[in-house]
Amino acid sequence: EVQLVESGGGLVQPGRSLRLSCAASGFTFDDYAMHWVRQAPGKGLQWVSGITWNSGSVGYADSVKGRFTISRDNAKNSLFLQMNSLRPEDTAFYYCTKDMERDGFYPFDYWGQGTLVTVSS
Amino acid sequence: DIQMTQSPSTLSAFVGDRVTITCRASQSISIWLAWYQQKPGKAPKLLIYKASSLQSGVPSRFSGSGSGTEFTLTISSLQPDDFATYYCQQYNTYSRTFGQGTKVEIK
Repeated sequence: EVQLVESGGGLVQPGRSLRLSCAASGFTFDDYAMHWVRQAPGKGLQWVSGITWNSGSVGYADSVKGRFTISRDNAKNSLFLQMNSLRPEDTAFYYCTKDMERDGFYPFDYWGQGTLVTVSS
Repeated sequence: DIQMTQSPSTLSAFVGDRVTITCRASQSISIWLAWYQQKPGKAPKLLIYKASSLQSGVPSRFSGSGSGTEFTLTISSLQPDDFATYYCQQYNTYSRTFGQGTKVEIK
């Protein structure tokens, strides 16, 4: 059974940093691209960042470019999102998602349960 | 970025009704469109990809169609478990974008 379990969310002040983690199991992690998608409370979905199977290529939404960094550790079946210079508008549930293929150009067939990041003073 | 616009934003229907949701792209995305279902407090679930391919395990009452800029999601006979919010997503570009969502409510 595919499982994606996020951790690392919480309350943080504007301008501070936070690192999200996603532990993956139930599939061959290094065969697939992975992504982060966020959803502000009561709002719609926004793709945040993606990374190919071998970390050879990464992508970011314009709203987080230069502030967020995605990475993965295939040996530990883990995905990460380093979030710096956080803003109140970054407040959202952050979902770890699995791409349907390795190069990251397909939809997301599995999602974690999400971790809430709240940016407030 | 490619903009995705769904209509309607909210839809009220009876159990057993045939329901159609439309998604329009601001430019052609060929068939690179997916549909997701999200229930309150839960993560989204993939229903359809490549505009009309049914994801494994998804009931056959769900179907998708379209290409280019206009797409539809159809539920042939609405079931109690189908009341949820539905999102379309384009993946023609790496910076994939979602529609704003369509909430399907009980009438």
